[in-house]
Amino acid sequence: GAVVSQHPSRVICKSGTSVKIECRSLDFQATTMFWYRQFPKQSLMLMATSNEGSKATYEQGVEKDKFLINHASLTLSTLTVTSAHPEDSSFYICSAPLGLAGTSSYNEQFFGPGTRLTVL
Amino acid sequence: RKEVEQDPGPFNVPEGATVAFNCTYSNSASQSFFWYRQDCRKEPKLLMSVYSSGNEDGRFTAQLNRASQYISLLIRDSKLSDSATYLCVVNRNQFYFGTGTSLTVIP
Repeated sequence: GAVVSQHPSRVICKSGTSVKIECRSLDFQATTMFWYRQFPKQSLMLMATSNEGSKATYEQGVEKDKFLINHASLTLSTLTVTSAHPEDSSFYICSAPLGLAGTSSYNEQFFGPGTRLTVL
Repeated sequence: RKEVEQDPGPFNVPEGATVAFNCTYSNSASQSFFWYRQDCRKEPKLLMSVYSSGNEDGRFTAQLNRASQYISLLIRDSKLSDSATYLCVVNRNQFYFGTGTSLTVIP
């Protein structure tokens, strides 16, 4: 299957600092990427949809000024957690979907390996 | 009402057992359906897509009932390596995840 990389895999930072997470599709172009957050023992929650060439679409309750998304190219999306606080500690996962030809639905999505953020 | 609902379990079954997971989705306009597997502290990995005609991959069988808005996953002859969380995922412009069902296969 397609490969999505994510960097860094783990970050420990002090409260108030900003953290940038990169998501790359390595062998296909992704005009759309999804950013998820997963707290312990909970399912993945969609934070935002990253769109190449346009602004990201944020889910209700997700602060766009705190979680900055930039879809710089067809293979790279970045999520910056600004002024991180301990409650932002979580597992952040990106994914790149493959569209089902001729429809608006997706055939599958490929996940990055995730970034575990710990804010002290 | 949640987009996707799953019984969180946990399911603790002996090796060799057959176990079934169920999932319901709320929006009849949902377009595609999947089962993902997630190991502890790892990203989800696609287990199989789910079709109305039903599909089978080795010990795994998935079924979709659009009329009842119901998805199932059957695992036969459980192995220790099947221990994981199984996520029901529904696509309708974006992907909606169930909370996952935890399975532990016991020796």
